Amino acid sequence: KQEVTQIPAALSVPEGENLVLNCSFTDSAIYNLQWFRQDPGKGLTSLLLIQSSQREQTSGRLNASLDKSSGRSTLYIAASQPGDSATYLCAVGGVNTNAGKSTFGDGTTLTVKP
Amino acid sequence: NAGVTQTPKFQVLKTGQSMTLQCAQDMNHNSMYWYRQDPGMGLRLIYYSASEGTTDKGEVPNGYNVSRLNKREFSLRLESAAPSQTSVYFCAIPKGQFGWELFFGEGSRLTVL
Repeated sequence: KQEVTQIPAALSVPEGENLVLNCSFTDSAIYNLQWFRQDPGKGLTSLLLIQSSQREQTSGRLNASLDKSSGRSTLYIAASQPGDSATYLCAVGGVNTNAGKSTFGDGTTLTVKP
Repeated sequence: NAGVTQTPKFQVLKTGQSMTLQCAQDMNHNSMYWYRQDPGMGLRLIYYSASEGTTDKGEVPNGYNVSRLNKREFSLRLESAAPSQTSVYFCAIPKGQFGWELFFGEGSRLTVL
């Protein structure tokens, strides 16, 4: 059974810092990995999707990497802003199954202080 | 979150009552999913439907039933609600070039007293 872990559970940084969020998974046979943002009381917004054959994806100040052999993904946020404050979730899609059956981590709650 | 519509957005039930959460999509996808999110946790898959007329259990199906009557709609039913089912329920569909980028509705917040 796939297990997904996100450490730390919470992170507080001053504005302008570059930061890395971590996601680890136990079964390396994955189809894809997706990073989401969730604001308090809101739904999930997809940030980046990495297919199993890819090593990284970039969108603006965000860069996500994937290392299947070590069971790890990182989300790098450059020049953090207070508006980046939210909970970030990673989700791993299983291979040879309906890949929408994703396994989620519990998330990292990020606070960026002005 | 245009494309996936969930109703109701909020609901309070008493233990033992029943209710149905509705999800409708206008993106013409075969697959639809129901997840639940408990406070401070990630999402867990309840049920999914790979195509119209088919449904399968996810990680936490106990206490729920689902129905996929047509391609557009996927409903989740609680026959006898329990306090442990207090949660936020999300419906999702896949989208994107490879078809498996999950796209979520805004959620239905359920409290069972």
